[in-house]
Amino acid sequence: KAGVTQTPRYLIKTRGQQVTLSCSPISGHRSVSWYQQTPGQGLQFLFEYFSETQRNKGNFPGRFSGRQFSNSRSEMNVSTLELGDSALYLCASSTTVNNEQFFGPGTRLTVL
Amino acid sequence: QQQVKQSPQSLIVQKGGISIINCAYENTAFDYFPWYQQFPGKGPALLIAIRPDVSEKKEGRFTISFNKSAKQFSLHIMDSQPGDSATYFCAASIRDSSYKLIFGSGTRLLVRP
Repeated sequence: KAGVTQTPRYLIKTRGQQVTLSCSPISGHRSVSWYQQTPGQGLQFLFEYFSETQRNKGNFPGRFSGRQFSNSRSEMNVSTLELGDSALYLCASSTTVNNEQFFGPGTRLTVL
Repeated sequence: QQQVKQSPQSLIVQKGGISIINCAYENTAFDYFPWYQQFPGKGPALLIAIRPDVSEKKEGRFTISFNKSAKQFSLHIMDSQPGDSATYFCAASIRDSSYKLIFGSGTRLLVRP
């Protein structure tokens, strides 16, 4: 079975721009979660989607948004980028059976 | 109450030794405790996980010990190998309507040959 895939793997943007990141979960997984990883704050939960509905949201500003499509693929969007948004953005997928989450390789976003 | 505290921040172990990483939590509603291993440039990989109804779980060289009364859990890596050198994260979640993971701050493990 193919793992979680994320595109693009690397992105460079400038302040004020917006960015869209994509995640394809493991086949059969209906839950997709997004996390931000930075050296200072560690791994922080952004939001989780299940069957196209956001089930939970972390403590991030409204500039961070996401959505999930009927095929379980998910996108997250960050608008009006700030320097502090530079991070590794990780997507994880899960079945409905248990909490086991499997992470993708991440998208490295650099904001200049 | 949502925090998971992890220690040590870094750890150096000789090849063949035992690596021990500890985590503590406050929220008694947590009911799922996974450990993840992350290599540079990669996403975290699920190593092993435990639920509070058992005190220990072993998979190969990796063992989780869980102390419900103390609200602590730890990862033991037996016969540590240089290939185990990575960053390890503990996490916790509540089996409710979502799968939100609360992560510890990570432990950078170096296994010397």
